[in-house]
Amino acid sequence: IVMTQSPVTLSVSPGERATLSCRASQSVSSNLAWYQQKPGQAPRLLIYDGSTRATGVPARFSGSGSGTEFTLTISSLQSEDSAVYYCQQYENWPPWTFGQGSKVEIK
Amino acid sequence: QVQLVQSGAEVKKPGSSVKVSCKTSEDTFSSHTITWVRQAPGQGLEWMGRITPVLDISSHSRNFQGRVTVTADKSTNTAYMELTDLRSEDTAVYFCARVFRRGGHFDYWGQGTLVTVSS
Repeated sequence: IVMTQSPVTLSVSPGERATLSCRASQSVSSNLAWYQQKPGQAPRLLIYDGSTRATGVPARFSGSGSGTEFTLTISSLQSEDSAVYYCQQYENWPPWTFGQGSKVEIK
Repeated sequence: QVQLVQSGAEVKKPGSSVKVSCKTSEDTFSSHTITWVRQAPGQGLEWMGRITPVLDISSHSRNFQGRVTVTADKSTNTAYMELTDLRSEDTAVYFCARVFRRGGHFDYWGQGTLVTVSS
């Protein structure tokens, strides 16, 4: 299953909304996770099962979608949200596949 | 607190092999799948292989043409990923991660191990 993310880079002002998209080449039901990765760090789980926030993840992060179309929304961007975001499918694992990543920059 | 602690950075020659370790707790080892992901410099995440120690089941990505082996030592709660026939394009950070038991996402990650392949 091929995962395609858009945009490649998103530049957003603090306090504004950021919307990232992830598309699967075939249905993955709700078996979709989002990860945040900052430079020099391991990825951090943000969202799983399409829309469930992981423990400790701020409420400004939300996930939606099912089937082949998914969205990660950061409702009010903070400076610490500058990172690369990856989607991952886990329908009938293994294997697992990731999107190529979307970089969020603070304008 | 769940922890996965990986071995340190390695520098290897082309054609050689590297074995990276990932130590965790008995609870994690006895009830979860451990998986391996790599990230080349400036690139995205690539799944490599996985092992479920309690079931002695392992599998790996076809992208590595049989060069990757994932094993587990139950006596030390340590998972290993060995990559053979190293090439310069294998230079990357290698991560282990725990697979959530009732799903398939990766809920905890190791700190990463940099493997540099250079002559």
